[in-house]
Amino acid sequence: DTGVSQDPRHKITKRGQNVTFRCDPISEHNRLYWYRQTLGQGPEFLTYFQNEAQLEKSRLLSDRFSAERPKGSFSTLEIQRTEQGDSAMYLCASSLDNLSSYTFGSGTRLTVV
Amino acid sequence: GQNIDQPTEMTATEGAIVQINCTYQTSGFNGLFWYQQHAGEAPTFLSYNVLDGLEEKGRFSSFLSRSKGYSYLLLKELQMKDSASYLCAVKSSGGYNKLIFGAGTRLAVHP
Repeated sequence: DTGVSQDPRHKITKRGQNVTFRCDPISEHNRLYWYRQTLGQGPEFLTYFQNEAQLEKSRLLSDRFSAERPKGSFSTLEIQRTEQGDSAMYLCASSLDNLSSYTFGSGTRLTVV
Repeated sequence: GQNIDQPTEMTATEGAIVQINCTYQTSGFNGLFWYQQHAGEAPTFLSYNVLDGLEEKGRFSSFLSRSKGYSYLLLKELQMKDSASYLCAVKSSGGYNKLIFGAGTRLAVHP
């Protein structure tokens, strides 16, 4: 297993466009998390999946954001009508169970121009 | 509310010892993690404390005092490659035990 994979690594988009990011967690991990990180800050929690169920969403996740994990394996995060304030690194992490540490992917850096 | 505080920046000399402090106030506690993050890269796991005391792992050690809401990460025999951000994160006991991160401490190691 090569760890948590995220695609794309970088995305530049014009304001108002929609973007979608993909995360492939470690195969045996049933827990998947999305975080957002801006420069000089720590990661901020966005949403959590256990298998295919989205069990928690942050208030940071406005109605322009949607995340799915249809078969309990890979996950997608979509941002509609992007705004400049959405520019950030979007990190995906997975874990095996409640006691384990998270393994993070390398992130998708989004720049909205 | 949730609050995790750590110094913004620290500098140290190669070969020296540095201690990075973290204080937290969170709704529930289910463990404290330290992660290392090099610029532009993913955070990588360093250590985990759930009980009070010191956990040692090679050049890195981490300490926890739950009654004081306090932890530190100790880095010994500093190397240039240790220049990175160090993130303190608390696993909450409410909700689904997600990690709540501090803003990180940027450590610069000089020759």
